[in-house]
Amino acid sequence: SQQGEEDPQALSIQEGENATMNCSYKTSINNLQWYRQNSGRGLVHLILIRSNEREKHSGRLRVTLDTSKKSSSLLITASRAADTASYFCATPPRSFQKLVFGTGTRLLVSP
Amino acid sequence: DGGITQSPKYLFRKEGQNVTLSCEQNLNHDAMYWYRQDPGQGLRLIYYSQIVNDFQKGDIAEGYSVSREKKESFPLTVTSAQKNPTAFYLCASSISPQTGELFFGEGSRLTVL
Repeated sequence: SQQGEEDPQALSIQEGENATMNCSYKTSINNLQWYRQNSGRGLVHLILIRSNEREKHSGRLRVTLDTSKKSSSLLITASRAADTASYFCATPPRSFQKLVFGTGTRLLVSP
Repeated sequence: DGGITQSPKYLFRKEGQNVTLSCEQNLNHDAMYWYRQDPGQGLRLIYYSQIVNDFQKGDIAEGYSVSREKKESFPLTVTSAQKNPTAFYLCASSISPQTGELFFGEGSRLTVL
């Protein structure tokens, strides 16, 4: 069963604009992670936010977590064409150690 | 450089044949995972291993088999019992099952002819 669901499924913006992707999950978590996947490649870990954190920054990335709403958002500021990729949220349900991935948001950044 | 190596990158198979996908890591990670990705979809867990000589089924283990004889290696065999094997297969590892952050290989794309 799918634990995380990203929204929107696809997002198209211009370079310089901000991109916001959302993730909703179903069960309690101890952390939530965001990954990036370029077409035909493996996933790359971007950022991990723990359940007791509300916001975290890494370069142009800003992640928020609202455990009461079981949701997270990933903001990419001042986007670049090189940010074009699919972005996935992933959560480890408390009773398991393995990550469960969402269906991803496909981001297209046009020059 | 440390990392995860998957091979082959592309593989074609005739129906009824078993194929084995290789996954090797030199990160000294305890945990290793195999995921399947279909077009436009997320990742689904096939098998995972938390320690050498031990592995557990994931969500879609039917038609697949694995072994974990060495810490560095976690090969996946796609058997003829897998009804729809055409997919992109991703291997990953983590320092321990508890840390969660995964390091991925570049994937193997299997096509059944």
